[in-house]
Amino acid sequence: EAGVTQFPSHSVIEKGQTVTLRCDPISGHDNLYWYRRVMGKEIKFLLHFVKESKQDESGMPNNRFLAERTGGTYSTLKVQPAELEDSGVYFCASSPRLAGDNEQFFGPGTRLTVL
Amino acid sequence: EDQVTQSPEALRLQEGESSSLNCSYTVSGLRGLFWYRQDPGKGPEFLFTLYSAGEEKEKERLKATLTKKESFLHITAPKPEDSATYLCAVRGHSGGYQKVTFGIGTKLQVIP
Repeated sequence: EAGVTQFPSHSVIEKGQTVTLRCDPISGHDNLYWYRRVMGKEIKFLLHFVKESKQDESGMPNNRFLAERTGGTYSTLKVQPAELEDSGVYFCASSPRLAGDNEQFFGPGTRLTVL
Repeated sequence: EDQVTQSPEALRLQEGESSSLNCSYTVSGLRGLFWYRQDPGKGPEFLFTLYSAGEEKEKERLKATLTKKESFLHITAPKPEDSATYLCAVRGHSGGYQKVTFGIGTKLQVIP
């Protein structure tokens, strides 16, 4: 079974540019999550999708961040315009619909550097 | 707001030298405490879920325990391949249904 995949693995952009990160969850997983780890800090929750619906976006930093999950399959996280403080590793995770309080399966992350 | 504090931040052990990692938490109604292992350049890999005080789970050389205020990850006779960052996370009743709060992790190095 293929795991959660993320693209790209690394991205280096300049302040003010736009970047789009992609996440492909495990096939059949309705729950999809985005997290971010800034250097030296803990992993922080950004948002949660159930299929194509946003269930909880309380962790999104500001309106420069836009997450979508059209058709309930893969998801994108767009940062526009990027700022220096957006640098970090962005993780995506997925879990089955009826997972309840069970574990989430994480992707390898996208390392974003904003110069 | 849920909080997770892990200690120590880094731990260096000789191969075979058993030890414990600590995870202290505050949460409004614990719905799950999770332990993950993270290798460099990879995403967190699930290890255990604990739900109530007194619960214990084991996997190979790892054993996780839970009290009302903290969790311990005991590592018995570690091997170099156990070297990784170990993350603790909690899910409580506050915030979103699936929102998980992570600690900063303990970086474990096992020396041959």
